Order: sequence, then structure tokens, then C-alpha cells
Amino acid sequence: AQSVTQLDSQVPVFEEAPVELRCNYSSSVSVYLFWYVQYPNQGLQLLLKYLSGSTLVKGINGFEAEFNKSQTSFHLRKPSVHISDTAEYFCAVSGRSGGYQKVTFGIGTKLQVIP
Amino acid sequence: DGGITQSPKYLFRKEGQNVTLSCEQNLNHDAMYWYRQDPGQGLRLIYYSQIVNDFQKGDIAEGYSVSREKKESFPLTVTSAQKNPTAFYLCASSRPTGGKETQYFGPGTRLLVL
Repeated sequence: AQSVTQLDSQVPVFEEAPVELRCNYSSSVSVYLFWYVQYPNQGLQLLLKYLSGSTLVKGINGFEAEFNKSQTSFHLRKPSVHISDTAEYFCAVSGRSGGYQKVTFGIGTKLQVIP
Repeated sequence: DGGITQSPKYLFRKEGQNVTLSCEQNLNHDAMYWYRQDPGQGLRLIYYSQIVNDFQKGDIAEGYSVSREKKESFPLTVTSAQKNPTAFYLCASSRPTGGKETQYFGPGTRLLVL
């Protein structure tokens, strides 16, 4: 079984300040991790993913995430946020289950950037 | 440009009515998925299909049906048996790569009950 916990449902942050959105996972098989962003009334857009290799993953819009196996975490960070980063962010874990790709999503974290 | 399209953007359902949500992709992906999104609950899998003419129930399939007659298309029907259909519905697709697949999403359809 696999699961994802996003510890914060909402994160307010001032413009140009750094931000960290927390994600913890559990999985009994090989771990593949993703962060998606969703703007209001839109679909999910891939920000970044960890499949293997370097534990520090860089994505679009200046975001990065670090895979920490010992702490089972995959926190998302950005050193300086912009108003346009206001959106909901979803962490997801993927693995094969019953012969198909099973993706489990967290409940999402709403990032509110304050001018 | 390759991508996933969903239509309509908004859909209204009357009580007792079946409605069909469209999902089309030109990414040449074998696998397609339907998710339901409710506030504060993340995404929940309704149905998935790995190849044409084959599909499997996800975690919340009751009250829904699908078909996969073409690789590009994976329509979802919300039947009258689904008593709480108001939600945002997302279609996704991926190319099977042994669990490392990246799912790409369409823009979504919001279903509202009249």
C-alpha cells in the first residue's frame, strides 16, 4: 500500500519570501514521486518528478524538491515566490500495483502569496 | 501541439439523467485515467484503461461507466446511480514505463447538478 501526507492544507507567504511545502510518503515498492500544480478551474500541471538518481530535483517555475529516503519526504521549495505562484500543489507517489500504475495523491496544499 | 482535451468545461445534470464527459488525447499514450476531485480530498481514481477495449475499476467506480474503443478517446458516463456527482473531473494519460509513468492531465470538466 502507498500513501501521501501533505502536512499543511494552506500556506500563506509574502511575495519574494522562500517557501517549503511538505510532503511525506509511504510505499512498499520502488518510489517514484511527483509534484503537480493546479491553478483555479484548471487541470494539473507537472512541476517536477523524482524517478531515480540525484535526490535534488529541479522543476519548472524555479521550484525544486529533495527526495529524502530516510525521512520518507519529498518537500517542495522555492527561494523566492511570486504572486503568480498562488495555486494548489499536489504531491503524488507512483508504483505498480496489480499490474497497473497506481498513483496516490495528497489532499493538496494551497499556497497563497501575499503582496 | 500534443495534449489532452476535455469537453465540455461545464456540464449540468438533471436528476435521473446520464451525462457523458469527453476526453481525447493526441499524445499516443496507451493508458488513460479518470479522476474525481472534491475540495479537501485530493484526486480519487474512478476508472483506468491500459489498452484499447480494456478498462478497470478504480477506487470509486460505482455510478460511473467508461468505454475505450479508440486509443485517443476515453469517455466517462456519469449515470443516474451516482447520487452525488457534483465534482471536478480530470482525465489523464500516460505511456507505460514500468511504474515510472508520468501522468499528464486535461483541463477538467466541472459537473453541476440542477
